[in-house]
Amino acid sequence: KAGVTQTPRYLIKTRGQQVTLSCSPISGHRSVSWYQQTPGQGLQFLFEYFSETQRNKGNFPGRFSGRQFSNSRSEMNVSTLELGDSALYLCASSTSPTGAEKLFFGSGTQLSVL
Amino acid sequence: DQQVKQNSPSLSVQEGRISILNCDYTNSMFDYFLWYKKYPAEGPTFLISISSIKDKNEDGRFTVFLNKSAKHLSLHIVPSQPGDSAVYFCAASAPGSGGSNYKLTFGKGTLLTVNP
Repeated sequence: KAGVTQTPRYLIKTRGQQVTLSCSPISGHRSVSWYQQTPGQGLQFLFEYFSETQRNKGNFPGRFSGRQFSNSRSEMNVSTLELGDSALYLCASSTSPTGAEKLFFGSGTQLSVL
Repeated sequence: DQQVKQNSPSLSVQEGRISILNCDYTNSMFDYFLWYKKYPAEGPTFLISISSIKDKNEDGRFTVFLNKSAKHLSLHIVPSQPGDSAVYFCAASAPGSGGSNYKLTFGKGTLLTVNP
């Protein structure tokens, strides 16, 4: 069974640009969450989608958005990039619709904003 | 406001000895706790979890202890092996909106180094 796949693996952008990151969950997983990892803040929750609906959202500005498609694949978009957006963006998928559950993480997309 | 705190950024132990990683939390609504391990250039992988109705959960060399009154949990690794060297994240969850419990709150992680 393939794991969570995130593309691209690395990305370099400049300030003011926008970026789209992609995540393909494990087959059969309907919940997809996104996290931002930075050295100073650790892992911070961005948002979670289930059946194409955003169920939870973290404390990030509106420049960060996401969506989920009918096949459970998800994308997140960051507009008007800032230097502080440089981070590892992790996607995680899971099976259960509710209840605390173990997440399966992808290897992440390393975004560098210059 | 950091609701999950891992106060030790790093820990170094000898192979064969016990590794104890600590985690404190402030949100009394947290009812499920997890530990993840992360190697460089990889995503975190689930290690062990514990529900708030328990005070101990064991899985092989890994044991997690929960002290609800102190809002403290710890991960014990016995015996420690060089392959255990990684960053360990403590995470907690509470009932979220829409019935979702996936809004995990993570600590900043502890880098464990196990020396041969």
